[in-house]
Amino acid sequence: QIQVVESGGGVVQPGRSLRLSCAAAGFIFSRSAMNWVRQAPGKGLEWVALISYDGSNKNHADSVKGRFTISRDNSKNTLSLQMDNLRADDTAVYYCASNTVGDWNLDYWGQGTLVTISS
Amino acid sequence: QSALTQPPSASGSPGQSVTISCTGTSSDVGGYNYVSWYQQYPGKAPKLLIYEVSKRPSGVPDRFSGSKSGNTASLTVSGLQAEDEADYYCSSYAVNNKYVFGTGTKVTVL
Repeated sequence: QIQVVESGGGVVQPGRSLRLSCAAAGFIFSRSAMNWVRQAPGKGLEWVALISYDGSNKNHADSVKGRFTISRDNSKNTLSLQMDNLRADDTAVYYCASNTVGDWNLDYWGQGTLVTISS
Repeated sequence: QSALTQPPSASGSPGQSVTISCTGTSSDVGGYNYVSWYQQYPGKAPKLLIYEVSKRPSGVPDRFSGSKSGNTASLTVSGLQAEDEADYYCSSYAVNNKYVFGTGTKVTVL
């Protein structure tokens, strides 16, 4: 059974850092591109970052470029998102999502972890 | 990259069909056959319904279908059921290896 589980969310002050993790199981993680997608309260979905199956290619949305960094550890089936210099508009539920079938779609999602930026 | 444009709401009676549009540009929807659609219930994670414009993942009912013409993609839900009441988002590959999502459409079953 496929499982995608995010962790690491919480309440953080503006300007501080936070690291999110995503544990995956039930599919061949090392062959799957992975993504982070976020959703601010009451708002729509926003793609945040992607990383290729082997970690050789990464891309980040303009809104987080230079502040957030995606990474993965295929030996542990885990995905991470290092978030630095956090701002109030980074407040959102952060989802980890895989791409295991076809290209450029997000087929398995975690339940999300809430990040709240507040002083 | 600007969000793809979707109507804020759509509705239909049980058994009817509803179609949701998703309009982008030649740099995303119009330029590539990598449009996907997601269903999201309140407080839940999105679920993939359609990928690569018109393909359905295993387990998704054939009541859900996708298509594309030019810069606009569409999702059609046929034989509307009460359980189809949810938010729907389109997404597309965009130039420079990015995803772009639609603004979202709330579907109401009357």
